[in-house]
Amino acid sequence: QLQVQESGPGLVKPSETLSLTCTVSGGSISSSRYYWGWIRQPPGKGLEWIGTIYYSGSTYYNPSLKSRVTISVDTSKNQFSLKLSSVTAADTAVYYCARRMGITIFGVVAEGWFDPWGQGTLVTVSS
Amino acid sequence: DIQMTQSPSTLSASVGDRVTITCRASQSISSWLAWYQQKPGKAPKLLIYKASSLESGVPSRFSGSGSGTQFTLTISSLQPDDFATYYCQQFYSYSTFGQGTKVEIK
Repeated sequence: QLQVQESGPGLVKPSETLSLTCTVSGGSISSSRYYWGWIRQPPGKGLEWIGTIYYSGSTYYNPSLKSRVTISVDTSKNQFSLKLSSVTAADTAVYYCARRMGITIFGVVAEGWFDPWGQGTLVTVSS
Repeated sequence: DIQMTQSPSTLSASVGDRVTITCRASQSISSWLAWYQQKPGKAPKLLIYKASSLESGVPSRFSGSGSGTQFTLTISSLQPDDFATYYCQQFYSYSTFGQGTKVEIK
């Protein structure tokens, strides 16, 4: 059964870059059927999609975060990664990685729902 | 951007109750909607995809309906394990989540 797991520092200083890695086990990140995504959840608040990557390296970002986000994939390690630059306290959140189902909408392959999710990792932005 | 609005924000119910949560999209998203359940300290769990398809292993008391801009998640008979927060997600254009509906014990 496929599993995803986040890893990375739990504390990041303001203005620095947050870096997280998601390791995929029990399946290949290079499957053409799936995308891979990052979602975050500030403490006590709702879910926010950050961005998605395909194994080929194609990326799709939330317009509100696009200027600060980079998502990359390493197929040799079955991992994908998130970098969020110039962080502030507002970026403090639980960060989740997840597999995203690929679907066909009007003949075009697009991103669907998230399943499964990692357990999440809390990243706090503080000096 | 497509906005997703859930109602109510909080719902108080008893075991055995029929519960309905509504999700409204700011524009038509066809049937490109999913529902998730989240318990405190845990990751969201997929319940429903493409508006009405039940994820494998999810109890049949959960059902989803709707298309266009109005969607509902129904729990036919609320069980103790169902007290949680529920989120809708559109994937017609990028991805947006609703703000969540907390189902609490009455």
